Amino acid sequence: AQTVTQSQPEMSVQEAETVTLSCTYDTSESDYYLFWYKQPPSRQMILVIRQEAYKQQNATENRFSVNFQKAAKSFSLKISDSQLGDAAMYFCARGSEKLVFGKGTKLTVNP
Amino acid sequence: KAGVTQTPRYLIKTRGQQVTLSCSPISGHRSVSWYQQTPGQGLQFLFEYFSETQRNKGNFPGRFSGRQFSNSRSEMNVSTLELGDSALYLCASRPSGRGAQHFGDGTRLSIL
Repeated sequence: AQTVTQSQPEMSVQEAETVTLSCTYDTSESDYYLFWYKQPPSRQMILVIRQEAYKQQNATENRFSVNFQKAAKSFSLKISDSQLGDAAMYFCARGSEKLVFGKGTKLTVNP
Repeated sequence: KAGVTQTPRYLIKTRGQQVTLSCSPISGHRSVSWYQQTPGQGLQFLFEYFSETQRNKGNFPGRFSGRQFSNSRSEMNVSTLELGDSALYLCASRPSGRGAQHFGDGTRLSIL
């Protein structure tokens, strides 16, 4: 089975600090996408960032950046200058039309 | 541009009944996917429709079905409801090509 693994069920960070969420995946495809989604208690899944596997350059969206290691099948998310509004469940996902999700990491931001 | 709209937001049914959930994608998006989210199993892919055709299907029993209309709106139907069908059902739409999926707020289905 092609899986996505998030090894950290919960993480916490102080406001204004930096935190990194880990994700590893398994795939036999050569061309695929990777995503990080955020799900606050309001339950809507919000796209945070995406990475195309054929691109070597790591994606960046404002305070959010990824460390994509294709050979190691690793895709971590770094959140810089953490804000209270960043508190949520974060899901790593792989795919395109059909997304395979990890179990999620619950991020708490402490004031 | 309006986001993905799912109706209803909440639904309570009893075992054995059937239910229909609705999803209106972002304007111009032709691909619609459905996911089931439960505390135990996490997020699982149900199926994906593109131009009124089911292109991908997840590992769910035949009680789960869907369809897509010519305006790209999609419905998901679950027949003979079981307690285990209690979940948050999320719909996502995606533009043609290599775009990301954008999700709606979901429908919370509770089975009594």
